[in-house]
Amino acid sequence: AQSVTQLDSQVPVFEEAPVELRCNYSSSVSVYLFWYVQYPNQGLQLLLKYLSGSTLVKGINGFEAEFNKSQTSFHLRKPSVHISDTAEYFCAVSDYGAAGNKLTFGGGTRVLVKP
Amino acid sequence: DADVTQTPRNRITKTGKRIMLECSQTKGHDRMYWYRQDPGLGLRLIYYSFDVKDINKGEISDGYSVSRQAQAKFSLSLESAIPNQTALYFCATSGGGYGYTFGSGTRLTVV
Repeated sequence: AQSVTQLDSQVPVFEEAPVELRCNYSSSVSVYLFWYVQYPNQGLQLLLKYLSGSTLVKGINGFEAEFNKSQTSFHLRKPSVHISDTAEYFCAVSDYGAAGNKLTFGGGTRVLVKP
Repeated sequence: DADVTQTPRNRITKTGKRIMLECSQTKGHDRMYWYRQDPGLGLRLIYYSFDVKDINKGEISDGYSVSRQAQAKFSLSLESAIPNQTALYFCATSGGGYGYTFGSGTRLTVV
């Protein structure tokens, strides 16, 4: 069984400062990894995904994430945040074995960008 | 039109009532999912379907049932709603392996 742990439930950050959201996963098989963002009163939107290849993945809105297999981590970063980045962020994992590609989500990290 | 449409967007219902949440998608994908979102718990899988004849329980299926009426339609029912089923419910679809497309969610309150 897979599990995802997002180590911070809330991250306050000042505008134009960098932010890192931490995500660790456990799985007995190889995985795909995802970050989703949920803006207030909206559904989830894909930020970026790691399927294979380069461990540094770039996504939309200036976000990037690095896959670290030895540490089973997939941390999300942005060098300079904007007020509009205020949202909840979810890390998710999917195995690509015979059981299909069900997504398992972490508990979410709420980012509050302060002016 | 949205790729994944959920109805209703908001619903308040009484304990013990049966309620159906509906989902339709225009992505042409075979795989559809129902998730429940609760604060601090992220999204948890209720049911999923890989095609019209394939229905599978997720991690929290007790108290819920589903119907896959067509490739594009996947409904979630609460047979007898209870207050701890108050949550935000999301439907999603997937083409396989590359992430999901989510609906905008249904906010359900059971009083």
